[in-house]
Amino acid sequence: KQEVTQIPAALSVPEGENLVLNCSFTDSAIYNLQWFRQDPGKGLTSLLLIQSSQREQTSGRLNASLDKSSGRSTLYIAASQPGDSATYLCAGRGAGSYQLTFGKGTKLSVIP
Amino acid sequence: EAGVTQFPSHSVIEKGQTVTLRCDPISGHDNLYWYRRVMGKEIKFLLHFVKESKQDESGMPNNRFLAERTGGTYSTLKVQPAELEDSGVYFCASSLRDRVTSGANVLTFGAGSRLTVL
Repeated sequence: KQEVTQIPAALSVPEGENLVLNCSFTDSAIYNLQWFRQDPGKGLTSLLLIQSSQREQTSGRLNASLDKSSGRSTLYIAASQPGDSATYLCAGRGAGSYQLTFGKGTKLSVIP
Repeated sequence: EAGVTQFPSHSVIEKGQTVTLRCDPISGHDNLYWYRRVMGKEIKFLLHFVKESKQDESGMPNNRFLAERTGGTYSTLKVQPAELEDSGVYFCASSLRDRVTSGANVLTFGAGSRLTVL
């Protein structure tokens, strides 16, 4: 059974800093891994999706990596802005399944 | 393009009552999912429709929960009778049809329906 862990649960950084959010998963037979952003009272917005055959994906200031052998994924945010403040969730999809297994998320606060 | 719409945004009911949550997916999305987040826990899968057919309902907690997707368009999730532990945020998501063995499957989530059972 897949388990996804995100550490830390909360993170506060000054504006302009580069930061890394961590996600670990127990089952390396992963089909893909997605990073989502959730703003208060809003739904989840997909940020990046990494297929099992890929090592990383980039979108603007965001870069996500996937290391299946170690069961880890990271989301790198460059030059953080106050608008990046949100909860970031990672979710893994197992091979042969449509189910996503989510971590509890990391609540990011970027201080102006 | 309209996103995934969920209604109501918040429902407060008494234990033992019935609540029906509705999800309107993005037009043309064959895949529809229900997920739930109870306080302090991670978001968990409930079930998956492909058009009007239940593809996987292994995450449904018990038989007090009934999901339907008549006509393969919108979906409803009924809780009857509601219990205290059913409180949480119920998310709906949809995606285009794909095969598990090929292609990505980016889900679009709705804003969620918050259910409070007193």
